[in-house]
Amino acid sequence: AIQMTQSPSSLSASVGDRVTIICRASQDIKNDLGWYQQKSGKAPNLLIYGASNLESGVPSRFSGSGSGTEFTLTITSLQPEDFATYYCLQEYSRPKTFGQGTKVDVK
Amino acid sequence: QLQLQESGPGLVRPSETLSLACTVSGGSISSPSHYWAWIRQSPEKGLEWIATIYYTGTTYYNPSLKSRVTISIDTSTNQFYLKLSSVTAADTALYYCARERAGAIEHWGQGTLVTVSS
Repeated sequence: AIQMTQSPSSLSASVGDRVTIICRASQDIKNDLGWYQQKSGKAPNLLIYGASNLESGVPSRFSGSGSGTEFTLTITSLQPEDFATYYCLQEYSRPKTFGQGTKVDVK
Repeated sequence: QLQLQESGPGLVRPSETLSLACTVSGGSISSPSHYWAWIRQSPEKGLEWIATIYYTGTTYYNPSLKSRVTISIDTSTNQFYLKLSSVTAADTALYYCARERAGAIEHWGQGTLVTVSS
């Protein structure tokens, strides 16, 4: 199975900060990567698909980039509702595999 | 608006079979553009994809669980199902049903907590 490694595992930030989360795949997954946001007690929510495509309804402060084995999720100006845990998911081959998550909390 | 709702026992005894159902409302489970999946989440393993099924009955399983998992679908009732046999404490998790489209898991149920304990 393809291994997905996220970094950092947690970060502290303030409202208005630019936040960057990295996801690395153990092999080339082209651009078959999604990013998900999970708030406490809720199911994950799709933010980005195909590495860089913003899901409908998701604020434009979220963006994704990368291809191959290294991917980035960027939040350009962190809002109060963005404090959550973020996961990457490779869609290149089954079994689909998730990163271990990055928790974004208040500095 | 699409909704997915998991249902099933919250407590399962070790060595028994975990059985869950997912009821889909606000959309057809026979949609040719979508697949239907089970995913679980635990503090120990994080998010883990279990299995996916297409309305035709085509199935995909996580090799790590394949010997114990069965996913099935009933298009007449707009439901799909998960069975996981020979459960242990390691199968204690929050179980989600979800809808996939090409390249994304786009809708998730709220999740149901299943505890394996005697």
